[in-house]
Amino acid sequence: QVQLVESGGGVVQPGGSLRLSCAASGFTLSSYGMHWVRQAPGKGLEWVAFIRYDESNEYYEDSVKGRFTISRDKSNNTLHLQMSSLRAEDTAIYYCARDISSTAPDAFDIWGQGTMVTVSS
Amino acid sequence: DIQMTQSPSSLSASVGDRVTITCQASQDIRSNLNWYQQKPGEAPNLLIYDASNLETGVPSRFSGSGSGTHFTFTISGLQPEDIATYYCQQYDNLITFGQGTRLEIK
Repeated sequence: QVQLVESGGGVVQPGGSLRLSCAASGFTLSSYGMHWVRQAPGKGLEWVAFIRYDESNEYYEDSVKGRFTISRDKSNNTLHLQMSSLRAEDTAIYYCARDISSTAPDAFDIWGQGTMVTVSS
Repeated sequence: DIQMTQSPSSLSASVGDRVTITCQASQDIRSNLNWYQQKPGEAPNLLIYDASNLETGVPSRFSGSGSGTHFTFTISGLQPEDIATYYCQQYDNLITFGQGTRLEIK
């Protein structure tokens, strides 16, 4: 069935780096726009990043620009989020989500279960 | 950046009640608005897209309306399984979520 499974979360010190992965099954990742969305403990949803189906454009939320990079591995049907210069305020559950559109941000129709990132010394 | 102001932040209602949540955009977003339900410990689930279209498989007691800057989400006949937090989300310019509305049963 159509599914997204995130991995790679953990505890990292401020200023450190982490790479999240999102494995897709039941569909081809490169046919869809894909997102990362995060949710700090007890807080609301915050969009993080988007990549077009053809990787011709990426968009980022202002607070992560220059620190986070979204990418995909077609051979493994996997989405990634490379995070560097991590801050305490990046602590959150990180979800990957599929967009109903392939070219521009629209609606999220498939979500993963999330992976927890904790930035703490 | 487009700001989304959702209200109320929480509400308590009885089974069978009609429940309404509003979402106000800081600028005209046409009908570029979606609604999600998030149950505790789960990922969000798309309910309404393009302001008023019901996602496949979603019960018809859920509905949405509005355009421009003012939007409404309604549950007609609240059910116990509707206990969740609800979010609006604009996509007219990138993505912004509302702050969420936590719905409890009275």
